[in-house]
Amino acid sequence: GDSVTQMEGPVTLSEEAFLTINCTYTATGYPSLFWYVQYPGEGLQLLLKATKADDKGSNKGFEATYRKETTSFHLEKGSVQVSDSAVYFCALSESGNNKLIFGAGTRLAVHP
Amino acid sequence: NAGVTQTPKFRILKIGQSMTLQCTQDMNHNYMYWYRQDPGMGLKLIYYSVGAGITDKGEVPNGYNVSRSTTEDFPLRLELAAPSQTSVYFCASRGTGEYEQYFGPGTRLTVT
Repeated sequence: GDSVTQMEGPVTLSEEAFLTINCTYTATGYPSLFWYVQYPGEGLQLLLKATKADDKGSNKGFEATYRKETTSFHLEKGSVQVSDSAVYFCALSESGNNKLIFGAGTRLAVHP
Repeated sequence: NAGVTQTPKFRILKIGQSMTLQCTQDMNHNYMYWYRQDPGMGLKLIYYSVGAGITDKGEVPNGYNVSRSTTEDFPLRLELAAPSQTSVYFCASRGTGEYEQYFGPGTRLTVT
């Protein structure tokens, strides 16, 4: 079945460091891909999405590119802030499917 | 705009007790979902609904029941609580034709 694999956390960075969180997926069709973020004590929020190969999703300085050839959707940010500390979830949804399949989540801690 | 609301925020149950987790959305979304989030794991889909009167099982439905009598409400019922149901429960909704799922703040349930 479909699945999403993320790099294990926690990821600990200093403020203004470069961030990469790896995400790879397995799917039978042509899924849409998502990054969700969960701040402490809150529900998940959509951070960015990409719906077809080579699309780049971006929001709040974060970017991810849908790479069909490597089945990847890695999250990047050039300069992280303390306020970016959260848990980040990669997810996919198959075309025509109502369901999201989530990765295990990667905790990011940014210190001053 | 309230979005997706969940009650209660926290609950402790004894083994064998029952309870209903409430979920309400005010965005007129047809699609609603219940997930559970275990420590260090991604979200697992319990049940979902594509509209009032229609529900279907997700990945981990055992021990739970749902109903969808109105567009706004999607309660989750635990009939005989077990320690394995200790988790954080999230409700989400999505509009027809949209990609983004909107999440509630979650209910933290402990069964002892």
